[in-house]
Amino acid sequence: GQNIDQPTEMTATEGAIVQINCTYQTSGFNGLFWYQQHAGEAPTFLSYNVLDGLEEKGRFSSFLSRSKGYSYLLLKELQMKDSASYLCAPIGYSTLTFGKGTMLLVSP
Amino acid sequence: SAVISQKPSRDICQRGTSLTIQCQVDSQVTMMFWYRQQPGQSLTLIATANQGSEATYESGFVIDKFPISRPNLTFSTLTVSNMSPEDSSIYLCSAHDRVEDYGYTFGSGTRLTVV
Repeated sequence: GQNIDQPTEMTATEGAIVQINCTYQTSGFNGLFWYQQHAGEAPTFLSYNVLDGLEEKGRFSSFLSRSKGYSYLLLKELQMKDSASYLCAPIGYSTLTFGKGTMLLVSP
Repeated sequence: SAVISQKPSRDICQRGTSLTIQCQVDSQVTMMFWYRQQPGQSLTLIATANQGSEATYESGFVIDKFPISRPNLTFSTLTVSNMSPEDSSIYLCSAHDRVEDYGYTFGSGTRLTVV
């Protein structure tokens, strides 16, 4: 089975930096995804880590430590449109399992 | 990345009836999946749709309730059978594309309300 833990909610101000942490336990491991989901919309792909280390993609970076079962998503220069739910999703042997998501609220 | 067309986008159904949701992918994809997202919750995997064979269901989901078809590498359907209000949820299909570049792509979802 899989166990995924991430904070339920976070708040930050426009222009700031925020880090969303995720710890996981999986049966098998073939990488970890981060998705963004705005209310009423489908999740959209942000990042994929399969090796340890930091992957940077514009304002978003994602870090993975396989030995610690730990990942984080780093969002820089926050914008109001970044207000959304962020889902940590490790992939086990063949299927993707989602955490409960972290609702990020960005205020002016 | 693959683009998924999912329909219907929403429906209101009477209890005891069935609804079939369709997903069409614009390219051949290896794997397709069906998820459910209940209000305020994250996504829960229902099953993996296997091309040419029976779907693989997750714990808590059974074929009689959620029959799935996948006749080819671009199309899949999920039927929600004998519906009850507890089935009111958003149902999403997903396709496995070039994982390192695009991750798993999602359809736009079907918002189902059972009355």
